Amino acid sequence: ELKVEQNPLFLSMQEGKNYTIYCNYSTTSDRLYWYRQDPGKSLESLFVLLSNGAVKQEGRLMASLDTKARLSTLHITAAVHDLSATYFCAVGEETSYDKVIFGPGTSLSVIP
Amino acid sequence: EPEVTQTPSHQVTQMGQEVILRCVPISNHLYFYWYRQILGQKVEFLVSFYNNEISEKSEIFDDQFSVERPDGSNFTLKIRSTKLEDSAMYFCASRRQIYGYTFGSGTRLTVV
Repeated sequence: ELKVEQNPLFLSMQEGKNYTIYCNYSTTSDRLYWYRQDPGKSLESLFVLLSNGAVKQEGRLMASLDTKARLSTLHITAAVHDLSATYFCAVGEETSYDKVIFGPGTSLSVIP
Repeated sequence: EPEVTQTPSHQVTQMGQEVILRCVPISNHLYFYWYRQILGQKVEFLVSFYNNEISEKSEIFDDQFSVERPDGSNFTLKIRSTKLEDSAMYFCASRRQIYGYTFGSGTRLTVV
């Protein structure tokens, strides 16, 4: 059974600093997603990673995927307050075309 | 930008009552989903729907739940006899092929 973990679960960081959120998963997978959720809001798609070594960047966020290590990272560069949100990784089950298992989320707070 | 719309945004119902949550997926998407998020917890897969039938469902999606695409645009989730533990935010999502899901804004269901 696929399990998805994230760490840290809570992250408080100062503006301007860099940090990395880690997403580990327990079985092989061919697709991984990162989402952002603001309090009380929906899930906003950030990145879709479909192959080993995939790296995608959007603004101050960069995501990477290492399928051999079953690890994805979400790197935050020079954090700003607007990045405060909860970040979820979600991993597709290899035996399923549809089912995606979400991690517990990382609650990020960027403080001035 | 195309959106997935959900109605109502908030529904309060008495235990044992039936509820129907409604979703209008993006028009050229082929795959449809329901997920739920109990307050402050992780996002859980309920069911996927493709070609007018359920393609996959989770253990949560028992006989009390059903989905329908009655008219080619709406996608509904029915809970026949609600329980207190059904209280959650329910998200509808749709996608084209392997790409990222687009989530709706959610329906907060409160069972009292």
